[in-house]
Amino acid sequence: EAGVAQSPRYKIIEKRQSVAFWCNPISGHATLYWYQQILGQGPKLLIQFQNNGVVDDSQLPKDRFSAERLKGVDSTLKIQPAKLEDSAVYLCASSLVEAKNIQYFGAGTRLSVL
Amino acid sequence: DQQVKQNSPSLSVQEGRISILNCDYTNSMFDYFLWYKKYPAEGPTFLISISSIKDKNEDGRFTVFLNKSAKHLSLHIVPSQPGDSAVYFCAANDANAGGTSYGKLTFGQGTILTVHP
Repeated sequence: EAGVAQSPRYKIIEKRQSVAFWCNPISGHATLYWYQQILGQGPKLLIQFQNNGVVDDSQLPKDRFSAERLKGVDSTLKIQPAKLEDSAVYLCASSLVEAKNIQYFGAGTRLSVL
Repeated sequence: DQQVKQNSPSLSVQEGRISILNCDYTNSMFDYFLWYKKYPAEGPTFLISISSIKDKNEDGRFTVFLNKSAKHLSLHIVPSQPGDSAVYFCAANDANAGGTSYGKLTFGQGTILTVHP
């Protein structure tokens, strides 16, 4: 069974530029999550989708972050414009609807904002 | 406001001995707890979980203990192996909340475990 795929693995941009991350969840997992993990901290949930609908985006900085999951499978997370404090690892996870606590994570995208 | 805390940034243990990782939480609504393990350059992987109706759950070398009155849980690894060297994250959820809260995991900061041969 293929795991959660994320790309790119690394990204370096300058502040005020835009960036996008892509995630392909495990086949059959209707629930998809984006987390932000700042160095030295645990992952923090940014947004949760079920199929193509947003379940929770209460911790997403909506003035600069956006995410979509148009066909209920792949998802993209965008930052525009990026700030220095956005430097972090962005993790995508997926789970079955009936077992949302057991989340399977991708390897993440490490973003450096200079 | 950090609702899940792992106060030990690191732990060093000899191979074959017991590793004990600790986690404290403040939100009394949390009723489901998980431990995730993370190797460098990989995403966290689920290790073991416990519901608040239990005080112990065991899976091979890994045992999680929950003390609800103290709002404290711990992960015991016996015997520890060098391959257990990783970052361990404690996470919590209000599984009965339903709606948007279900699946919303709150993570601690992580503890780096190093098991020496």
